[in-house]
Amino acid sequence: DQQVKQNSPSLSVQEGRISILNCDYTNSMFDYFLWYKKYPAEGPTFLISISSIKDKNEDGRFTVFLNKSAKHLSLHIVPSQPGDSAVYFCAASATANTGFQKLVFGTGTRLLVSP
Amino acid sequence: EPEVTQTPSHQVTQMGQEVILRCVPISNHLYFYWYRQILGQKVEFLVSFYNNEISEKSEIFDDQFSVERPDGSNFTLKIRSTKLEDSAMYFCASRATSTNGGELFFGEGSRLTVL
Repeated sequence: DQQVKQNSPSLSVQEGRISILNCDYTNSMFDYFLWYKKYPAEGPTFLISISSIKDKNEDGRFTVFLNKSAKHLSLHIVPSQPGDSAVYFCAASATANTGFQKLVFGTGTRLLVSP
Repeated sequence: EPEVTQTPSHQVTQMGQEVILRCVPISNHLYFYWYRQILGQKVEFLVSFYNNEISEKSEIFDDQFSVERPDGSNFTLKIRSTKLEDSAMYFCASRATSTNGGELFFGEGSRLTVL
């Protein structure tokens, strides 16, 4: 049961252009969404998050958009840089009742930013 | 910057052997997690731990798995009798608070190879 889906396994973008990474979810109980970045041989690193009460959150070059009706979120990176090349994981949690917020991850999208 | 540290970085073991993976969470954190990632697949939640007890566990976390915080600093994952399908990268994570906005910090992972 794949509750969080990243349908694009890879994305190639030129330096300076926009990278758009997409994520879909099925569980309507999810109310908090996060993007993690992962380099080879390292653990996931938190990038940006968004609560379900918002539809946009921005942090520097990174913006996350949430469309609750479509159960879809996206991460925009503008401008993309070669150092952004990594695997990006979308994650979601349902905080009601548990409070411990286990994260459900998508399968990841490998972003390659070429100079 | 504080970080989650994990040892060993790589362990090779024979099927049926016991394995202990160790983690030192960030010192003021209260919530601890183990996740794993089988090669090429998504990061999966295993278990969460708070106040010296398991708060939630996944279907993967069966009787062969156990966690412990033996001395107030280390957080260990034990697999009693390893199986081939336990081969994966195991990530420890910790968080200061359970509420949204409490960022989950991941360690660099311990790669387990079961032969």
